[in-house]
Amino acid sequence: QVQMTQSGTEVKKPGASVKLSCKASGHITNYIHWVRQAPGQGLEWMGVISPSGNTVVYAQKLQGRVTMTIDTSASTVYMELSSLRYEDMAVYYCAKDWSATSGGSQYWWIDPWGQGTLVTVSS
Amino acid sequence: SSELTQDPAVSVALGQTVRITCQGNSLRGSYASWYQQKPGRAPILVIYGENNRPSGIPDRFSGSTSGNTASLSITGAQAEDEADYYCYSGDRSNNQWVFGGGTKLTVL
Repeated sequence: QVQMTQSGTEVKKPGASVKLSCKASGHITNYIHWVRQAPGQGLEWMGVISPSGNTVVYAQKLQGRVTMTIDTSASTVYMELSSLRYEDMAVYYCAKDWSATSGGSQYWWIDPWGQGTLVTVSS
Repeated sequence: SSELTQDPAVSVALGQTVRITCQGNSLRGSYASWYQQKPGRAPILVIYGENNRPSGIPDRFSGSTSGNTASLSITGAQAEDEADYYCYSGDRSNNQWVFGGGTKLTVL
């Protein structure tokens, strides 16, 4: 199956921006999610982008600071987070979206996940 | 806002059965998916849909849903099942997706 390979560790100052990449081993045919996890905390959904890039949905909490884009020719998805705060320090994951309908019920799952990218915010 | 609620911690004796639950309005008319995460590792999918296991996931893992509550059961828990478990679903009412807060499973 398609593997997701993410860019390396980033160290940024508060107020700066960071742009992470997530390269698929094949053509991107599914929506791609971004999920983050602060140290010792749970998983936080950040947003999702369609294979064409025409549809992007962001978590309400991050609206205005997060931008997701896609380079279809390079099979790469990008996530840029601006105005970094200490609380943005986390491991950031990309993951492939799946959905299906059964008996009138729609449901979703995400698989596989990238290996994660650590973003450190430090002055 | 979309929310999924999980118990923060659950324990089970080795070889016994444990159920981890996830509650939320977005689960009405849908199914949760479940993820296992071990320290320092990316999450992996263990259950999706009504009760589907990806290739490589042992059949001691199963899922069920009733009303607004989804459950992940492990029948005959093993030491290697000790991990954090997260549920996940979408909320069509506001076009958002959400994870539960996670449940730390300890195998005694």
